[in-house]
Amino acid sequence: GQNIDQPTEMTATEGAIVQINCTYQTSGFNGLFWYQQHAGEAPTFLSYNVLDGLEEKGRFSSFLSRSKGYSYLLLKELQMKDSASYLCAGASGGYQKVTFGTGTKLQVIP
Amino acid sequence: DSGVTQTPKHLITATGQRVTLRCSPRSGDLSVYWYQQSLDQGLQFLIQYYNGEERAKGNILERFSAQQFPDLHSELNLSSLELGDSALYFCASSGSGTSGSYEQYFGPGTRLTVT
Repeated sequence: GQNIDQPTEMTATEGAIVQINCTYQTSGFNGLFWYQQHAGEAPTFLSYNVLDGLEEKGRFSSFLSRSKGYSYLLLKELQMKDSASYLCAGASGGYQKVTFGTGTKLQVIP
Repeated sequence: DSGVTQTPKHLITATGQRVTLRCSPRSGDLSVYWYQQSLDQGLQFLIQYYNGEERAKGNILERFSAQQFPDLHSELNLSSLELGDSALYFCASSGSGTSGSYEQYFGPGTRLTVT
């Protein structure tokens, strides 16, 4: 199975860059997801990394190092609406069992 | 709109009662997942179905059960409800990963309040 670890809370300033880290223990690891969840709402898919390296999608980028069991989500040009929880989730096994971390609550301040 | 629907949106019931939550996956998705999220807590995986068969089980209580029907919609049954069962219950669906990924698309959730 997976053991997902990410910081509980982070604070960053509007317009800045923030990096949210995630480490995982691999057991049949297939790939790593990042989701965004605003309070009281459903999680929404941000990215999925299978191979090592950085994948960029607009203001959001996600990085994976399989050998280190490490990923990060990079958010650039922070906006107030980016205040949310960011969930790291590992996929493993033939049936793609997904294990979610507890999430990192990001607060963007003016 | 993710394409996943859940009913009802809100449910208020008393301890000891039984409720059924319903989920319809995105068109074409064969996998359905159920999650519980208590206040300020992470997503707790409950159970996964694939094309009508149970595929994986998480920390699902014996008082809870689920099934996926031939039309692929799923129901989560919660019985002998306790105050601690009050939570947001999310359903998610995923497909066969045409892009190589199996991202889950979440429904809006059912907020259950047990009084």
